Amino acid sequence: DVKVTQSSRYLVKRTGEKVFLECVQDMDHENMFWYRQDPGLGLRLIYFSYDVKMKEKGDIPEGYSVSREKKERFSLILESASTNQTSMYLCASGGGTVATDTQYFGPGTRLTVL
Amino acid sequence: AQKITQTQPGMFVQEKEAVTLDCTYDTSDPSYGLFWYKQPSSGEMIFLIYQGSYDQQNATEGRYSLNFQKARKSANLVISASQLGDSAMYFCAMREIRTGANSKLTFGKGITLSVRP
Repeated sequence: DVKVTQSSRYLVKRTGEKVFLECVQDMDHENMFWYRQDPGLGLRLIYFSYDVKMKEKGDIPEGYSVSREKKERFSLILESASTNQTSMYLCASGGGTVATDTQYFGPGTRLTVL
Repeated sequence: AQKITQTQPGMFVQEKEAVTLDCTYDTSDPSYGLFWYKQPSSGEMIFLIYQGSYDQQNATEGRYSLNFQKARKSANLVISASQLGDSAMYFCAMREIRTGANSKLTFGKGITLSVRP
């Protein structure tokens, strides 16, 4: 079974703090993704990576950065957390070049910024 | 313009009955894939079923089937013989194969399904 793990299920941070969200997958997938999920808005893509050290902006990259130093690990960074970044963050891997390739998701990190 | 539209505010179904969750999509791409995911209260997104734009038959996976009507651009999920464990939020998603970032999925806003005993 594909396993995608995220470093924390729940996280509480203060405004202005630097926040790291870690994601690890064990299926040797090329592609990894970070989404945020908000009520009534569905999932929105923040950043994705299709190879080590490669990244592309998604639909809402402002206020975020990412790092992919190793194939299995993809980190989301909030340089200076703000209250409007309070959300559920979901990491996914997979979704290759074949049409049927699906994405596999981690359990999510619920981040609260005070 | 929204690419994936899920307008049902919330659905209720009696246990053991069938339910249809609606999804319409918008694309000019001839080649695309459609996905349904389930998200229980635990938060994890679970892949349910896939339909390709060129597939001749509707996809089925156990109790899940996809009612794919290409001309109407709809890809409704049908859950047969509902179970209490089917209570969750359901997301429809699409991948357009032509675009450069061919792994990207676009998600709808989701539908909440509640199964009554």
